[in-house]
Amino acid sequence: AQTVTQSQPEMSVQEAETVTLSCTYDTSESDYYLFWYKQPPSRQMILVIRQEAYKQQNATENRFSVNFQKAAKSFSLKISDSQLGDAAMYFCAYRSSYNNNDMRFGAGTRLTVKP
Amino acid sequence: ETGVTQSPTHLIKTRGQQVTLRCSSQSGHNTVSWYQQALGQGPQFIFQYYREEENGRGNFPPRFSGLQFPNYSSELNVNALELDDSALYLCASSLRLEQFFGPGTRLTVL
Repeated sequence: AQTVTQSQPEMSVQEAETVTLSCTYDTSESDYYLFWYKQPPSRQMILVIRQEAYKQQNATENRFSVNFQKAAKSFSLKISDSQLGDAAMYFCAYRSSYNNNDMRFGAGTRLTVKP
Repeated sequence: ETGVTQSPTHLIKTRGQQVTLRCSSQSGHNTVSWYQQALGQGPQFIFQYYREEENGRGNFPPRFSGLQFPNYSSELNVNALELDDSALYLCASSLRLEQFFGPGTRLTVL
């Protein structure tokens, strides 16, 4: 079964600085999708960025980018120029291409942004 | 375009009772997934409905059941509530790959 591990329960970053959140996953599949979701105190999960496993190029969305290392099964999120509004829980998630009704989430990383 | 909505926002029940949670999908989305998020943990997949049929289930007992209606809105029913059922319940609707989440229902079982 696929598992997702986020080894950093909490992280903090100074406003305008860069922070990287770690995520590793375990799968025997070759085709899948990886996601980073943000969950602010309002509780609504918001998609931050998505990576298709068949794409070698790392996904980028404005200040958010990923470092996808397929062989190492690693999928880290880099937030550049951190803003106070980035403070939230961040969840890494895995979704199979073969069984796309089951999304597996990590335990989350709580990000604090210091002014 | 209306986003995913859930009702109620909060709910308190006692052990042994039954509860129904509701989810309205984003317009045009024919798939709804339900997740349970215990405090301090990531969401866990309960089940998914596609065009009114269950389309996959996670490791949850049969007392967790669901429905999807012709307008693609959905219900999650939990019978014989246990203390461990206390959690945030999230629904997410999708048309293809991306899931759009609702704000969740916070269920407390006393």
